Amino acid sequence: AQSVSQHNHHVILSEAASLELGCNYSYGGTVNLFWYVQYPGQHLQLLLKYFSGDPLVKGIKGFEAEFIKSKFSFNLRKPSVQWSDTAEYFCAVNAGNNDMRFGAGTRLTVKP
Amino acid sequence: SQTIHQWPATLVQPVGSPLSLECTVEGTSNPNLYWYRQAAGRGLQLLFYSVGIGQISSEVPQNLSASRPQDRQFILSSKKLLLSDSGFYLCAWSSGGATDTQYFGPGTRLTVL
Repeated sequence: AQSVSQHNHHVILSEAASLELGCNYSYGGTVNLFWYVQYPGQHLQLLLKYFSGDPLVKGIKGFEAEFIKSKFSFNLRKPSVQWSDTAEYFCAVNAGNNDMRFGAGTRLTVKP
Repeated sequence: SQTIHQWPATLVQPVGSPLSLECTVEGTSNPNLYWYRQAAGRGLQLLFYSVGIGQISSEVPQNLSASRPQDRQFILSSKKLLLSDSGFYLCAWSSGGATDTQYFGPGTRLTVL
């Protein structure tokens, strides 16, 4: 079965800093990749997803992620973070079935 | 539009007591339904999923069970809770298919004492 690793458990940034959160997965076949975000007190919601086509995916709120197949990675980026981006971010992988595997999550704290 | 409800929002139960958490979806038909447990620092663990009424797939052996008595209702149960069952339980739905987004409910915080 596929697995997902998020190596950064807690990231602290100042506003306007650039963000990159790492996500690596282990699965040799075709995968569908997702980033979810959980803002304080809110539901888990989709940021962006990739399943085919352009490996650079744009999501909501200025986030993007790049699928690099050779590196089994799907890192999340944002050029300039805001205080409102403070949240927990989860990478997830679905290998073509109903089994969605989530990473452990990365908590992002943005200081104003 | 589709909405997903979970109740209760929080629950404190003694060890050995039974459990029933409910999840309902509105605004869609024949959804795929999922139960996850979220533990701090460990992400989301898929517990059960269902592609139709009465169809339940279990991902993790444990003392929990799931049932889908109606198309848009998904229930998580236990006959006897363990301390290790404490956690945050999330229900989700999707239209089906690996590329489909899963939409999550607000969750239930369960504390077993």
